Amino acid sequence: EDQVTQSPEALRLQEGESSSLNCSYTVSGLRGLFWYRQDPGKGPEFLFTLYSAGEEKEKERLKATLTKKESFLHITAPKPEDSATYLCAVSGGSTNAGKSTFGDGTTLTVKP
Amino acid sequence: DVKVTQSSRYLVKRTGEKVFLECVQDMDHENMFWYRQDPGLGLRLIYFSYDVKMKEKGDIPEGYSVSREKKERFSLILESASTNQTSMYLCASSSGQDNSPLHFGNGTRLTVT
Repeated sequence: EDQVTQSPEALRLQEGESSSLNCSYTVSGLRGLFWYRQDPGKGPEFLFTLYSAGEEKEKERLKATLTKKESFLHITAPKPEDSATYLCAVSGGSTNAGKSTFGDGTTLTVKP
Repeated sequence: DVKVTQSSRYLVKRTGEKVFLECVQDMDHENMFWYRQDPGLGLRLIYFSYDVKMKEKGDIPEGYSVSREKKERFSLILESASTNQTSMYLCASSSGQDNSPLHFGNGTRLTVT
């Protein structure tokens, strides 16, 4: 059974204070690891897909990395508008990417 | 941009009522999904569909059914609503390609009293 564990559950940062969110996973034959951002009252919004260990993707202040057991979402010099819940999901084996297993998310609060 | 539209943002229904949640996507995606999201439980897959008139059970299908008569529309049906079905319901779609990410709607917050 695929499993995803995200830590920490909540993270409070000062504006400009860089940090990382962790996503540990177990999956039989990783097909893709996904990061989503979710704002209150809205559906998750896709950020990145990572396919294999060593891969990295960047978007503005966010950088996602992947190893064989975990993924990190690095946030460099965050701004208050980066405050959101960040969700990690994996798909593996023969399953379609939509049948992803999601973690519980990390709620990030960035204070000005 | 892909747009996934859920017909209602908020719904309040009574126990025992039959409830329909509607979802429409405008990107000709083959795959559509219904998830529910609850605090402490994350997102859980209820049902999904890879093609018109096809449906498959997800992890928590009990008490739900679905309908996909047209490619762009995927409906979730609560046959007889119960209070434990109070939740945020999220519809999503993805293209037929492997590893295509999900595109979510903004959710329907359903309260069953």
